[in-house]
Amino acid sequence: KAGVTQTPRYLIKTRGQQVTLSCSPISGHRSVSWYQQTPGQGLQFLFEYFSETQRNKGNFPGRFSGRQFSNSRSEMNVSTLELGDSALYLCASSLGRVMNTEAFFGQGTRLTVV
Amino acid sequence: AQSVSQHNHHVILSEAASLELGCNYSYGGTVNLFWYVQYPGQHLQLLLKYFSGDPLVKGIKGFEAEFIKSKFSFNLRKPSVQWSDTAEYFCAVGPTSGTYKYIFGTGTRLKVLA
Repeated sequence: KAGVTQTPRYLIKTRGQQVTLSCSPISGHRSVSWYQQTPGQGLQFLFEYFSETQRNKGNFPGRFSGRQFSNSRSEMNVSTLELGDSALYLCASSLGRVMNTEAFFGQGTRLTVV
Repeated sequence: AQSVSQHNHHVILSEAASLELGCNYSYGGTVNLFWYVQYPGQHLQLLLKYFSGDPLVKGIKGFEAEFIKSKFSFNLRKPSVQWSDTAEYFCAVGPTSGTYKYIFGTGTRLKVLA
């Protein structure tokens, strides 16, 4: 069974640009969550999607947005990039809307903003 | 608000030493608890999880954790660490009724000296 796939693995962007990250969840998983990982901050929750609807959102500015498609694949977009957006962005998939379930993580996209 | 605290940010041990990593959470309701591990260059993997029942849970690679409800704690333990345990360890809460997101601690970097 294939795991969570995130593309691309690495990105270098300049300030002011926008970026789109992609996540393909495990087959059958309908919930996709996004996290920002930075040293010292751990994993900060960005948002969660289930059945193409954003169900939860973390404390991030509106420059961070996402969407989920009918096949459960998800994209995350960051507009007007800032240096502080440099981080590892992780996608996690789970069955969703089911209690007592664990999240499976992708390898992440390393975004560097210069 | 839900939160997870990991008090040890960096731990250095010699091989064969015993390990205990602290994790405390803040939440007023039923919780599901997790420990994830991130080996260098790899994705987050589940070490162990607690949903209900026996508060002492065993995970992979000889790790175990004890859920102490009265102390809001879920500490990770291993009797004898190996060099290959060098990694970053994350404690997490969730999902719980009404919020399908995982709240992570800031992580503990463990270095095991050969």
